[in-house]
Amino acid sequence: EAGVAQSPRYKIIEKRQSVAFWCNPISGHATLYWYQQILGQGPKLLIQFQNNGVVDDSQLPKDRFSAERLKGVDSTLKIQPAKLEDSAVYLCASSPRLEAGGSNEQFFGPGTRLTVL
Amino acid sequence: DQQVKQNSPSLSVQEGRISILNCDYTNSMFDYFLWYKKYPAEGPTFLISISSIKDKNEDGRFTVFLNKSAKHLSLHIVPSQPGDSAVYFCAAVAGSYQLTFGKGTKLSVIP
Repeated sequence: EAGVAQSPRYKIIEKRQSVAFWCNPISGHATLYWYQQILGQGPKLLIQFQNNGVVDDSQLPKDRFSAERLKGVDSTLKIQPAKLEDSAVYLCASSPRLEAGGSNEQFFGPGTRLTVL
Repeated sequence: DQQVKQNSPSLSVQEGRISILNCDYTNSMFDYFLWYKKYPAEGPTFLISISSIKDKNEDGRFTVFLNKSAKHLSLHIVPSQPGDSAVYFCAAVAGSYQLTFGKGTKLSVIP
């Protein structure tokens, strides 16, 4: 079974530029997550999709970040314009379904390392 | 306000000995706890989990202990192997299904 795919793996941009990341979750996984992991920190949830609907985007800086999952499969995360503090690894994860009382085990992709200069 | 805390940024252990990684939490609503392992340039991979109704879960060399009254859990790795060298993240789930992660502990197993 193929894992979660992400591209690009690395991206370097200057501040105020825009950037987009792509994620393809594990086939059949209904739930998709985007996380931001700043160096020395744990992953922080940015947005959570169930199929093509947003479940939670309360921690997404909506003035500059946007995400979509139009057909309930692939997803893109965009930053426009980027700031220096956006330098981080952006992780995509998926899980089969939301399960009440379950462990909500999530499967992570390799991440995209973004450097903003 | 950090709801999941891993107070030890790093830990070094001799090969063959026990590794103990600790995690504290503050949110009483957490009902599941997970440990993830992360190698450089890779995403975190699930290791083991425990429900809040249990106090121990074991999977091969890995055992997780939960002390609800102390809001503390620990991951034991016995025996430790060089391939276990990685960053270990403690994570917790409440009813909203979100994972809340700690900052991680870097484990180095010395041959």
